[in-house]
Parts: sequence; structure tokens; C-alpha cells
Amino acid sequence: AQSVTQLGSHVSVSEGALVLLRCNYSSSVPPYLFWYVQYPNQGLQLLLKYTTGATLVKGINGFEAEFKKSETSFHLTKPSAHMSDAAEYFCAVRALVKAAGNKLTFGGGTRVLVKP
Amino acid sequence: DVKVTQSSRYLVKRTGEKVFLECVQDMDHENMFWYRQDPGLGLRLIYFSYDVKMKEKGDIPEGYSVSREKKERFSLILESASTNQTSMYLCASSSRGTVGNSPLHFGNGTRLTVT
Repeated sequence: AQSVTQLGSHVSVSEGALVLLRCNYSSSVPPYLFWYVQYPNQGLQLLLKYTTGATLVKGINGFEAEFKKSETSFHLTKPSAHMSDAAEYFCAVRALVKAAGNKLTFGGGTRVLVKP
Repeated sequence: DVKVTQSSRYLVKRTGEKVFLECVQDMDHENMFWYRQDPGLGLRLIYFSYDVKMKEKGDIPEGYSVSREKKERFSLILESASTNQTSMYLCASSSRGTVGNSPLHFGNGTRLTVT
């Protein structure tokens, strides 16, 4: 079985400061990893994904994440926060075995507040 | 651009009512999913479907059923709504693609309140 833990349900950052959202996963097989963002009153949008290859993944809106197998982590960062980054962020994992199909397992989410 | 449309943005229903949540996607995706979203719990998978007339239980199927009669449409049914089913419901779709590789595309959600 796979699971995802996001440390911190709420994060507050100042505009222009570093955004760091933590995600740890457990999976018995190599995973696919995703970050999604949800703006108020909207569904989730894909920010970035790791499948294979380069462990540093760049996504939309200046976000990036690094897959660290030894730490079972996939933390999301952005060097300089913008007011428009205020949203809820979800980390998700999909096991790379056929039996798991295309099911994603999501973390509990981290809500980001950006202070002016 | 992929569009996943959920028929209702807000719904208020009474305990014991039968409730239908409808979802339509326009990109000929094989896979469709129903999640519920609750604060602190993230998204939890209720049911999913890989093809027409095919369905599989997710992690929390109790109290729900689904129907997929056409490829583009995936319905979630609450046979007898209860107050603990008050939640945000999100529909998603994805192409079959390389196993595990294709991202999910989400609708804007239906906020259901059961009184």
C-alpha cells in the first residue's frame, strides 16, 4: 500500500520569500509523484510530476520539486512567493505496478497563505 | 484543453434522499474517478472506472455507487444520503497512456450538504 504525508496543514510566507512544502511518501515499488494546486472554488490543477529520469522537476508558475529516493521525499519549492500562490497544495503518489491501475493517493494538503 | 464538467456546483439534500452527481469529460479519456475532499484528509478515492460499464471500488466506497453507461459520463450515486456524506466531491479523468504516467484532470467540484 502507498501513502503520502504532507508536513504542515498550513504554511504562511511573506511575499518574495521562499516557499517550501514538504511531502514524504511510502511505496513498496518505485513511484510516480505529483504536485497539484487548488485555487479557491476550483478543482485541482497539475503543477508538476516525476516519472523517471531527472530527479529535479520543474513545473508551472516557477515551482520545482526534487525526488529523493533515499529520503522518500518529494518537496515542493519556489524561490520567491507571489500573492497569486495562495492556494492549497496536494502531493500525490501512484504506484508503478499494473495492479494499482491509475489510482492516485493524495496527502492531506497544505494551505499556503502569502502575506504582503 | 481538457474539460471536466460537474453538473452542480452546490447541492443541498435531505437525509435519506437519493442523490446523483454527474460528471462529463470531453477528451475521450478512458479513466474516470470520483474523489471526496475533506479538510485535513486530502482527497480520498470513492470509485473509478477504466472503461464503459466498468467500475472498481476505491478506498471509501461504502454508501456510494457509480454508473458509466457512456465513455464521457461518470455518475456518482448516494443511495440514501446521510449527514456524514456532506463534503466536496471531485470528478477527474485521465487517458490510459503509459501506465501511471498520465495526469488527472479535475472538475471544479460539487459541494454537497446533507441536512
